[in-house]
Amino acid sequence: QKEVEQDPGPLSVPEGAIVSLNCTYSNSAFQYFMWYRQYSRKGPELLMYTYSSGNKEDGRFTAQVDKSSKYISLFIRDSQPSDSATYLCAMKGYSGGSNYKLTFGKGTLLTVNP
Amino acid sequence: DADVTQTPRNRITKTGKRIMLECSQTKGHDRMYWYRQDPGLGLRLIYYSFDVKDINKGEISDGYSVSRQAQAKFSLSLESAIPNQTALYFCATSDPTIGDGGNEQFFGPGTRLTVL
Repeated sequence: QKEVEQDPGPLSVPEGAIVSLNCTYSNSAFQYFMWYRQYSRKGPELLMYTYSSGNKEDGRFTAQVDKSSKYISLFIRDSQPSDSATYLCAMKGYSGGSNYKLTFGKGTLLTVNP
Repeated sequence: DADVTQTPRNRITKTGKRIMLECSQTKGHDRMYWYRQDPGLGLRLIYYSFDVKDINKGEISDGYSVSRQAQAKFSLSLESAIPNQTALYFCATSDPTIGDGGNEQFFGPGTRLTVL
């Protein structure tokens, strides 16, 4: 079982739809949970991060973490064509003392159609 | 001007050649990272450096080496390139003093490397 699983999609939705993107993980050492957005031919950029179970909202975006189920989600409300991108979940933790560990999901390609 | 720059942006080379990818940053961050991105495999960490004297292997360091020449510069080398090293390579930086533990990484625009 991979440490982080993310459905690569592609996912295509009409403008205005609610989008749900998800990742599961197996490593209990992960403490920080992030979502990055990557436009075509660009580097990823951080969208949101959280470290506790529950919801975190930022405008049209909501990040949800359920540590008991090892499941994280990103919800996009009122999706726009400009939201079309690849969304990558990322998880960070420390294992074995100060050993740093950051793991990305494969990314989900989202297209929002006008 | 971009805060994290990578050179070259595109490179085609042949099997067995030595290749160096360079990364420079003007953000003043101590921490720098090299990743590769492959379709279906996502981003994978190759090496990371928490300061000039600290270099650590990531998930997939075999076949790669790095050099941290200064706080602002972090180079990735492929000593003898092979076709399965064809990928998109990203450099990133972070600062642990920013926000909540420096979880944000700032990525460069990427280098597309093709090994024939």
